[in-house]
Amino acid sequence: KAGVTQTPRYLIKTRGQQVTLSCSPISGHRSVSWYQQTPGQGLQFLFEYFSETQRNKGNFPGRFSGRQFSNSRSEMNVSTLELGDSALYLCASSWGTGFRSGNTIYFGEGSWLTVV
Amino acid sequence: AQTVTQSQPEMSVQEAETVTLSCTYDTSESDYYLFWYKQPPSRQMILVIRQEAYKQQNATENRFSVNFQKAAKSFSLKISDSQLGDAAMYFCAYIFASGTYKYIFGTGTRLKVLA
Repeated sequence: KAGVTQTPRYLIKTRGQQVTLSCSPISGHRSVSWYQQTPGQGLQFLFEYFSETQRNKGNFPGRFSGRQFSNSRSEMNVSTLELGDSALYLCASSWGTGFRSGNTIYFGEGSWLTVV
Repeated sequence: AQTVTQSQPEMSVQEAETVTLSCTYDTSESDYYLFWYKQPPSRQMILVIRQEAYKQQNATENRFSVNFQKAAKSFSLKISDSQLGDAAMYFCAYIFASGTYKYIFGTGTRLKVLA
């Protein structure tokens, strides 16, 4: 069974631009969550989608948004990029959502974003 | 506040030896899950082991085992017979029943395995 797939793996953007990252979950998994990993802040939760609906959202500005499609694939978008947005963005999927059915998540390899 | 603390930023272990990584957490919840994730240089987070808070028995996965002390809010990871491939960042995390079900991660412990 294929794992969580994230594209692109590496990208460089200029401050002020926007970026879209894509995530394909493990087959059969309906929940997709996104995390930002930086050396200073560690791993921070961005948001979670289940059945095309955002279920949870972390403490990030509105420049960070996401969506999920009917096939459970998800995209996250960051608009008006800032230097501080440089990070590894990790996508994770789980079979369900919530505490009992969504408590174990499986990560992709991440998308490295560098903002210059 | 819900927090996870990994007090050891870096640890080293000799190949074939045993090492224990510590993790403490702060929660008022009674029902939650605890996890250890491994992040090798490839950066992909890999689930190592999972513990359900209402289970007394410590979880074990091959060479990996945990020492779960619920009253002390401690969740340490023991790696036996350490191998070079165990070198990675290790993150402790938990998710609890109430709230928004998002993971709360510790800051990680970098494990070096010496040949």
